[in-house]
Amino acid sequence: GENVEQHPSTLSVQEGDSAVIKCTYSDSASNYFPWYKQELGKRPQLIIDIRSNVGEKKDQRIAVTLNKTAKHFSLHITETQPEDSAVYFCAASFGAAGNKLTFGGGTRVLVKP
Amino acid sequence: GAVVSQHPSRVICKSGTSVKIECRSLDFQATTMFWYRQFPKQSLMLMATSNEGSKATYEQGVEKDKFLINHASLTLSTLTVTSAHPEDSSFYICSARSGLAAPEQFFGPGTRLTVL
Repeated sequence: GENVEQHPSTLSVQEGDSAVIKCTYSDSASNYFPWYKQELGKRPQLIIDIRSNVGEKKDQRIAVTLNKTAKHFSLHITETQPEDSAVYFCAASFGAAGNKLTFGGGTRVLVKP
Repeated sequence: GAVVSQHPSRVICKSGTSVKIECRSLDFQATTMFWYRQFPKQSLMLMATSNEGSKATYEQGVEKDKFLINHASLTLSTLTVTSAHPEDSSFYICSARSGLAAPEQFFGPGTRLTVL
């Protein structure tokens, strides 16, 4: 089955700086890669996603890049703000497998004011 | 749009009792719902995939007789934790997918289960 590795597990940045989280996946058939933000005790919120036919996607301060050959994808947050502090999860899924999401281990991001 | 609710949000029960958690898609019909378990400071672990009108598909290591899943309609799936034990204490989260061609999953707010 699919295996998703996520790094780093914790990330501390100064407000205004950029944050980068990286994930690798094992199943080359995976074709959908969402990123979720989860605050303590709350539901995961989809913040951006990318499909395998696209190499990069951007939404305001958030961008995701995908390298299918290397089987890795990354989340980039620019101009970080204290409200960006949360746990971020990457995930991968494959349509023919029922779109089951396999999650990475999570990255705890702390933005220091 | 794409709102998923869960009930209850928090439940405390005694060891040996059963607890039912409901997951509803409020503004769309969910062909598939998923149930996850999340222990403190850990990632989400998929427990089972639930398709309306058919038996749930359980992930390896998840006891189907302990975690009963019913998906009786396109807007409701239930998870029943039977004969609960303290080690079943966790955050249970459901998600729903709106269509066969749509990979996006929308998550419910979660249910915090504490077994005494």
